[in-house]
Amino acid sequence: EVQLVESGGGLVQPGRSLKLSCAASGFTFSDYNMAWVRQAPKKGLEWVATISYDGSSTYYRDSVKGRFTISRDNAKSTLYLQMDSLRSEDTATYYCARHLTVYFDYWGQGVMVTVSS
Amino acid sequence: DIQMTQSPASLSASLGETISIECLASEGISSYLAWYQQKPGKSPQLLIYGANSLQAGVPSRFSGSGSGTQYSLKISSMQPEDEGDYFCQQSYKFPFTFGSGTKLEIK
Repeated sequence: EVQLVESGGGLVQPGRSLKLSCAASGFTFSDYNMAWVRQAPKKGLEWVATISYDGSSTYYRDSVKGRFTISRDNAKSTLYLQMDSLRSEDTATYYCARHLTVYFDYWGQGVMVTVSS
Repeated sequence: DIQMTQSPASLSASLGETISIECLASEGISSYLAWYQQKPGKSPQLLIYGANSLQAGVPSRFSGSGSGTQYSLKISSMQPEDEGDYFCQQSYKFPFTFGSGTKLEIK
């Protein structure tokens, strides 16, 4: 059974950093591109970043480019999102998702990130 | 960025009714279109990808169609478990973008 379990969320002040992790199991992690997708409270879904199966390529939405870094450790079957210079508009539930080609076929349960002073 | 305009924003349907949700892309997306269902407090689930391919395990009452800039999701014979939010998503080019969602309720 495919499982994606996020961790690392919490309350953080504006301008500070936070690192999210996503532990994957039930599939060969190193075969799949992975992504982070977020959802602000009571709002729609917003793609944040994608990383290729081997980590060689990364893609970001403009609003997080230069502040967020997506990475992976295939030996540990774990996906990461390093978030620096956090802003109030980054407040959201962050989902780890597996790519099915360019779509998202499995999602984690999500982890809440609140940016507030 | 490609804008995805989804309609209606909300919908009430009777059990057994057939419903449709529409998604209009701001430019052609060559059928790189997916539909997701999200229930309250849960993560989204993939229903349809490639505009009309049914994801494994999804009931056959769900179907997708469309081309170019116009796409739709159809639910034939509404069931109680179909209540939730539905989102379309384009994967034609980065940044991937989602529609604003449709809240589907039982009448």
